[in-house]
Amino acid sequence: ILNVEQSPQSLHVQEGDSTNFTCSFPSSNFYALHWYRWETAKSPEALFVMTLNGDEKKKGRISATLNTKEGYSYLYIKGSQPEDSATYLCAFRSGNTGKLIFGQGTTLQVKP
Amino acid sequence: GAGVSQSPSNKVTEKGKDVELRCDPISGHTALYWYRQSLGQGLEFLIYFQGNSAPDKSGLPSDRFSAERTGGSVSTLTIQRTQQEDSAVYLCASSLVSGAYEQYFGPGTRLTVT
Repeated sequence: ILNVEQSPQSLHVQEGDSTNFTCSFPSSNFYALHWYRWETAKSPEALFVMTLNGDEKKKGRISATLNTKEGYSYLYIKGSQPEDSATYLCAFRSGNTGKLIFGQGTTLQVKP
Repeated sequence: GAGVSQSPSNKVTEKGKDVELRCDPISGHTALYWYRQSLGQGLEFLIYFQGNSAPDKSGLPSDRFSAERTGGSVSTLTIQRTQQEDSAVYLCASSLVSGAYEQYFGPGTRLTVT
């Protein structure tokens, strides 16, 4: 059974704080690692798709790193804003069928 | 362009009734996926289609669940004789082909079985 773990489960920070979350996944049969941002009542929004060991991706104040040999990815948010409040999901993919195995998510709440 | 759409957005049904959930993928996307999120759980894969064929149905939780896709476009997920444990948010996603990296999600259908 493929297991994807995310930590922490939830996080409360003050506006302006920087924060990071962890996603751990199987280190074998790696194809891709996806990060999504999911706000209540909206569609999950793709943040990053990471495919190569050592990948680093950035989108505005959000960045992510990937270590496929040890099976983890970090998502960083610099200078959190209230609009960053959402659930952040990572998903592991072991083949080119597109089937994603999701972690349970990290729910971030940013207080003004 | 239009994104993935799902209907209904909310569905409340009585235990034992059948329900149909609909997904309209992005035009031209040949791969379509169904996932669900039950309370307190992560998103769970149910089934995926490439065209009208379903090469992987491994996530369907029981034979009460079935899905079809017609014309390589719209997909319907049917749950027969609903049970309370079927209550969840059902999400659909599509991608250009099954090997494509990007999957685009719809807003989901929240199913409540009373």
